Amino acid sequence: EDKVVQSPLSLVVHEGDTVTLNCSYEVTNFRSLLWYKQEKKAPTFLFMLTSSGIEKKSGRLSSILDKKELFSILNITATQTGDSAVYLCAVDVYEGQGGSEKLVFGKGTKLTVNP
Amino acid sequence: SAVISQKPSRDICQRGTSLTIQCQVDSQVTMMFWYRQQPGQSLTLIATANQGSEATYESGFVIDKFPISRPNLTFSTLTVSNMSPEDSSIYLCSVLRRMGVKAMNTEAFFGQGTRLTVV
Repeated sequence: EDKVVQSPLSLVVHEGDTVTLNCSYEVTNFRSLLWYKQEKKAPTFLFMLTSSGIEKKSGRLSSILDKKELFSILNITATQTGDSAVYLCAVDVYEGQGGSEKLVFGKGTKLTVNP
Repeated sequence: SAVISQKPSRDICQRGTSLTIQCQVDSQVTMMFWYRQQPGQSLTLIATANQGSEATYESGFVIDKFPISRPNLTFSTLTVSNMSPEDSSIYLCSVLRRMGVKAMNTEAFFGQGTRLTVV
């Protein structure tokens, strides 16, 4: 069974701290790994990673994938209270000959940034 | 990108009743996905809605409880039937869209979500 595990499940930091969120996976047919930020209901897209070792950056957020060790990390530097959210890791897997695919989500990391 | 309009955004329902959630996509897509997110949990895939064929349900979810319609390539509904308090969750619809060079990468887009409370 395809599995995505995130750690920690919960994290409380102060503004200005740097945080690292972890995501490991065990899936049969890997296509890509995606990170999402969920503040209310709908997740918003952060990054998609397909190749090992290539860091993706967007402002204070960055992420990298290790396909050999089957994990990814999401870094947030100089955290702000607006970074408080649940961060979801998902792996896009494809199934069978028909070319269908789906996302398998981890449980998420709840980040709280205190002023 | 894809714009998905999902409604209702929230509802409070009596146990034993049913609620139908709608999702309208701004362009044609082959597959639409329905997720449930119970309090403090991650997104769990309920089923994949395919146009012109029966929905494909994940383990633990059945058509009698979560019937799905997919009348065309831009619209789908999920019904939560005979509701109990355990069905209180956020329900999300989603589509995958191929992006990038040679459309090799996939990005998921989500509706705004429906927060369901069953009392």
